[in-house]
Amino acid sequence: GAVVSQHPSRVICKSGTSVKIECRSLDFQATTMFWYRQFPKKSLMLMATSNEGSKATYEQGVEKDKFLINHASLTLSTLTVTSAHPEDSSFYICSAARDRVDSPLHFGNGTRLTVT
Amino acid sequence: AQSVTQLGSHVSVSEGALVLLRCNYSSSVPPYLFWYVQYPNQGLQLLLKYTTGATLVKGINGFEAEFKKSETSFHLTKPSAHMSDAAEYFCAVILPGSYIPTFGRGTSLIVHP
Repeated sequence: GAVVSQHPSRVICKSGTSVKIECRSLDFQATTMFWYRQFPKKSLMLMATSNEGSKATYEQGVEKDKFLINHASLTLSTLTVTSAHPEDSSFYICSAARDRVDSPLHFGNGTRLTVT
Repeated sequence: AQSVTQLGSHVSVSEGALVLLRCNYSSSVPPYLFWYVQYPNQGLQLLLKYTTGATLVKGINGFEAEFKKSETSFHLTKPSAHMSDAAEYFCAVILPGSYIPTFGRGTSLIVHP
């Protein structure tokens, strides 16, 4: 069964509004979670690394004031897309890592964001 | 820094034919290697992984991959393709001591009846 739950799976919002996406690890404590954006040609772009209890580490070119990440507990990380624009429309995927570095990432099922 | 190259953005096979998806990596040290599958509008699901030990690893759905250090490769194979194997496949590497994977650009597997 799924070990990482991502919600919502789809969301449609109007330009200028904010959208929050949740990522939960269901049966393990995830000290580290990752947020990816997947573009139409499939490539996965790492947006940020989220560590419980500390500020997220953003990849170069990702606006941290636009993509707010909060990792308040060992089982929950949230991504908030603030003041969304149509160009923010994309497929966003979270993943979580257990505490062993050779463990594979567990992925959520993704969120399809459409900004109208 | 490490990198991953997946040769061929699309691979097309007939049902029942051999599947071969290529993955080559560049890394300063032997990395951990993974293959993931993605079905439409879903996240990535682990197929198999190599960390240490036997270089031929078996995964779910009949897939396997072999780590070849001399060739810096980790190609994914399946003896007989099924229609249900049609999906996106991603190869990924993680350097020992790091949690952050590097993904290839993905390969679309198309299976013809």
